[in-house]
Amino acid sequence: DVKVTQSSRYLVKRTGEKVFLECVQDMDHENMFWYRQDPGLGLRLIYFSYDVKMKEKGDIPEGYSVSREKKERFSLILESASTNQTSMYLCASSGGGNNQPQHFGDGTRLSIL
Amino acid sequence: RKEVEQDPGPFNVPEGATVAFNCTYSNSASQSFFWYRQDCRKEPKLLMSVYSSGNEDGRFTAQLNRASQYISLLIRDSKLSDSATYLCVVNLYTGNQFYFGTGTSLTVIP
Repeated sequence: DVKVTQSSRYLVKRTGEKVFLECVQDMDHENMFWYRQDPGLGLRLIYFSYDVKMKEKGDIPEGYSVSREKKERFSLILESASTNQTSMYLCASSGGGNNQPQHFGDGTRLSIL
Repeated sequence: RKEVEQDPGPFNVPEGATVAFNCTYSNSASQSFFWYRQDCRKEPKLLMSVYSSGNEDGRFTAQLNRASQYISLLIRDSKLSDSATYLCVVNLYTGNQFYFGTGTSLTVIP
């Protein structure tokens, strides 16, 4: 079974802090993704990566950056956390090619005070 | 126009009922299709892929209509445990562009 592990289930940070969310997958997947999910808005893609050191902006990259130094690890960074970044953050990975579904981590509920 | 559209519901059905959800997609280049299930405050989990010829997994049947650009999910003999939000997901030919519907809420009532 694919295992996608996010570093924290719940996290509380203060406005202005730099926040790191970590995600690790154990299936040697090429693609990794960061989403946020808010009530009524569904999943929104922040960034994705299709290879080590490669990254692509998603729909809402502002205020975020990412890092993929190793194939199995994809980090999301909130450069200076703001209250509107309070959300559920979901990491996913998928294999290359067609017909490869995404597999999600448990999610991190981040609250910015 | 959204890439993927779903009726948000909610669908409230009695146990044992049959319920169907549809999902439309706008990009004819879409290659892969999936249904996910998401429980409250949990992550989405893959329910099933959707194949061109249609496919079945127990009480669940998924179908694809490329001409009309929609996919469907049929749940037969609904169980209380089927209560969840169902997300349809479309993947473009690139393999790393996934588009999610906002989900359809299902509650199965005793």
